[in-house]
Amino acid sequence: AQSVAQPEDQVNVAEGNPLTVKCTYSVSGNPYLFWYVQYPNRGLQFLLKYITGDNLVKGSYGFEAEFNKSQTSFHLKKPSALVSDSALYFCAVRDTFSGYSTLTFGKGTMLLVSP
Amino acid sequence: KAGVTQTPRYLIKTRGQQVTLSCSPISGHRSVSWYQQTPGQGLQFLFEYFSETQRNKGNFPGRFSGRQFSNSRSEMNVSTLELGDSALYLCASMGGDHFSYNSPLHFGNGTRLTVT
Repeated sequence: AQSVAQPEDQVNVAEGNPLTVKCTYSVSGNPYLFWYVQYPNRGLQFLLKYITGDNLVKGSYGFEAEFNKSQTSFHLKKPSALVSDSALYFCAVRDTFSGYSTLTFGKGTMLLVSP
Repeated sequence: KAGVTQTPRYLIKTRGQQVTLSCSPISGHRSVSWYQQTPGQGLQFLFEYFSETQRNKGNFPGRFSGRQFSNSRSEMNVSTLELGDSALYLCASMGGDHFSYNSPLHFGNGTRLTVT
């Protein structure tokens, strides 16, 4: 079975500082990994994905994520945080072991960027 | 291109009633998934439809059902509502063919269901 863990319920960072939101996963085959962001009273918005290739993936709004197979991690990063980045962030995984599978989401991490 | 549209945005129902939620996917998308989001349980997968066929189903009781029409629009129905069904229900569509494992989901803004 596939699963995702986001070990931090909340991450606090000052504006202008780098941010990291952590994600680890568990799959039987190769993972397809995704990051989404959710603003209040809105749906989830796709940020970036890792399918194969370079371990560093760049996405929307200056976000990037690093895939680490040995540590089964896919941490979301941004070099310089903005107050407007404050939102709920979800990591998600799809296992390719047994054909098509649904997308499983982590519990989410609230990112708070202070001015 | 228009995004995923969910109607209504807000619903208030009484315990024991039933409710139907609607979702119009992005034009050309044939896959529609439904998720329940609550503060305690996070995002829980309900079911997914692809070209009118249910492709996957989550671990929810039979009171939760769905369907997809030939134009890819989807509805989900919850019968005999319980207080615990209060949640944000999110619909997401996905492009590509039956084996598009690497495509992201595109979400609507959800329907906020409150059961009193």
